[in-house]
Amino acid sequence: DTAVSQTPKYLVTQMGNDKSIKCEQNLGHDTMYWYKQDSKKFLKIMFSYNNKELIINETVPNRFSPKSPDKAHLNLHINSLELGDSAVYFCASSHSGTGGYEQYFGPGTRLTVT
Amino acid sequence: AQSVTQLGSHVSVSEGALVLLRCNYSSSVPPYLFWYVQYPNQGLQLLLKYTSAATLVKGINGFEAEFKKSETSFHLTKPSAHMSDAAEYFCAVSYNYGQNFVFGPGTRLSVLP
Repeated sequence: DTAVSQTPKYLVTQMGNDKSIKCEQNLGHDTMYWYKQDSKKFLKIMFSYNNKELIINETVPNRFSPKSPDKAHLNLHINSLELGDSAVYFCASSHSGTGGYEQYFGPGTRLTVT
Repeated sequence: AQSVTQLGSHVSVSEGALVLLRCNYSSSVPPYLFWYVQYPNQGLQLLLKYTSAATLVKGINGFEAEFKKSETSFHLTKPSAHMSDAAEYFCAVSYNYGQNFVFGPGTRLSVLP
């Protein structure tokens, strides 16, 4: 009955590698997000997708690319990993439109770049 | 630009004491306001939200928050802290014109025995 799931939960890799994180939601939401949480717990939104269209891109390096095959999935692909990419990445989803809809978060993927 | 501030990056209370976590937002339009909790090594879980109905909002686990427009605040309270309340708490704001959330920097709550 997991609402928002992410795989893998932990990811350890070396600098320069390319990796992907997968996210799936079964809530019927039409908007999905990726956040980065740094070591000080600060949350920064990276992307959001609404009906397969990118609607937010908050000055994230183009090494990061979101890919959404359908409304229920939003994967994050990272090229040429750097030490500074080490963080916890959270996927989230929500309904769109006015109404103050809350976001539902996945359990996170802890990425460690060595 | 919209922003959210949380006074106190770390708050410690004794078990059974009142919990007060502060949140202030900057906005010229009425916002939607949220409190989330993050337990260690977990994702964020919604505690409660304000969406322009009652100004006093009750959430899960005995928490509540009051929206005060004049003070641009949405402080989180709980009458009696439990050890299980120890976690990171985030205040967030969103607006009518989109789904974008702005999160505060978070407050780590410690509960002392």
